Amino acid sequence: EVQLVESGGGLVQPGRSLRLSCTVSGFTVGDYAMGWFRQAPGKGLEWVGFIRSKAYGGATEYAASVKGRFTISRDDSKSIAYLQMNSLTTEDTAVYYCARRHISSWVAFDPWGQGTLVTVSS
Amino acid sequence: QSALTQPRSVSGSPGQSVTISCTGTSSDVGGYNYVSWYQQHPGKAPKLMIYDVSKGPSGVADRFSGSKSGNTASLTISGLQAEDEADYYCCSYAGSYTWVFGGGTKLTVL
Repeated sequence: EVQLVESGGGLVQPGRSLRLSCTVSGFTVGDYAMGWFRQAPGKGLEWVGFIRSKAYGGATEYAASVKGRFTISRDDSKSIAYLQMNSLTTEDTAVYYCARRHISSWVAFDPWGQGTLVTVSS
Repeated sequence: QSALTQPRSVSGSPGQSVTISCTGTSSDVGGYNYVSWYQQHPGKAPKLMIYDVSKGPSGVADRFSGSKSGNTASLTISGLQAEDEADYYCCSYAGSYTWVFGGGTKLTVL
């Protein structure tokens, strides 16, 4: 069974950093493109970033709102994808989700993890 | 990128059909046949319901269907059931490995 589990969320002060992990099972993390998404409290979904599969060089792309501050990476040996978040602001407060690209479409995502809450506050 | 435009809410009675629209631009919805729809129940992770405009993932009821005309995509749910009550989000590929979501639509089953 394919599963994704996010961890690493919590309370962090503005300006600080946090690294989220997405531990996967049921597939090899490097074999699939992955996306990161977030949802601010009471708000809609927002795409955060994308990492291509190893076959496509593992290049990354980011939403304008996080570009230059967030970095996606992955450790194939540990079956983990990461979201490194630097220079956090209160606007980054959200539940963060990772998701694998759908098996039949490289532009849709499924399944998703359960999410991890990041709260940026002093 | 601006968010895609969805109605804030729609409603229908059990057994009826409802349609949720999703309007973008020629740079996203209109430019690619890569619109997907996600269902999200409160406190839960999103679930893919439709991908590539009109394709249904395995395990999703065929009561869910998708279409697109120009810059507007639509999700239609026929034979409404109580468990369909949820938030629905459209999402479009916007080129250069970027994506944009709609603001979400709350479906109420009366």
